[in-house]
Amino acid sequence: AQSVTQLGSHVSVSEGALVLLRCNYSSSVPPYLFWYVQYPNQGLQLLLKYTSAATLVKGINGFEAEFKKSETSFHLTKPSAHMSDAAEYFCAVRSGGYQKVTFGTGTKLQVIP
Amino acid sequence: GAGVSQSPSNKVTEKGKDVELRCDPISGHTALYWYRQSLGQGLEFLIYFQGNSAPDKSGLPSDRFSAERTGGSVSTLTIQRTQQEDSAVYLCASSLRGDGPADTQYFGPGTRLTVL
Repeated sequence: AQSVTQLGSHVSVSEGALVLLRCNYSSSVPPYLFWYVQYPNQGLQLLLKYTSAATLVKGINGFEAEFKKSETSFHLTKPSAHMSDAAEYFCAVRSGGYQKVTFGTGTKLQVIP
Repeated sequence: GAGVSQSPSNKVTEKGKDVELRCDPISGHTALYWYRQSLGQGLEFLIYFQGNSAPDKSGLPSDRFSAERTGGSVSTLTIQRTQQEDSAVYLCASSLRGDGPADTQYFGPGTRLTVL
């Protein structure tokens, strides 16, 4: 079984401040982990993914995430928030070769000018 | 090349009517997924097609929901006798193979279904 938990359905940060979106996963086998972003009225776009090559993964738009096995976490960070980062972010997990991807409930990021 | 496309973008229907939602995956992608996104909820997996294999229908919420994929390409999600709780955004995604760490799902813009 696999699952993912995103802490905080809404996160607000000031423009220029650190962005930290939390994701914890549960998987019986080594997981593959993903972060997607959804802008209003659009589909989901892949930000980054962890596939066991490196624990620190860099993605698009300055985002990165670190896989921590001991904490079963894959938190998403960005050093300095931009107004354009306002969107909903989804963490997702796939367990090994299992085709189904399980998504978290999402975190809406608000950036305050 | 073109991304995943879905039609219609918006659909308003009356309770009890049937609706069909269409998904055109990226050309050459063998895997296709349907998800439902309800207000305040995450993405709920509905069904998964992989090549010529039998689809994984484990996420379909009731027998009013069905989907088919013709010729390994276009897919149609059908909801019969729609209910108000079916109101949601229905997202389609496709991927090259459906498995493996390098496989990434590409999402369409979704169809917003409103059942009155």
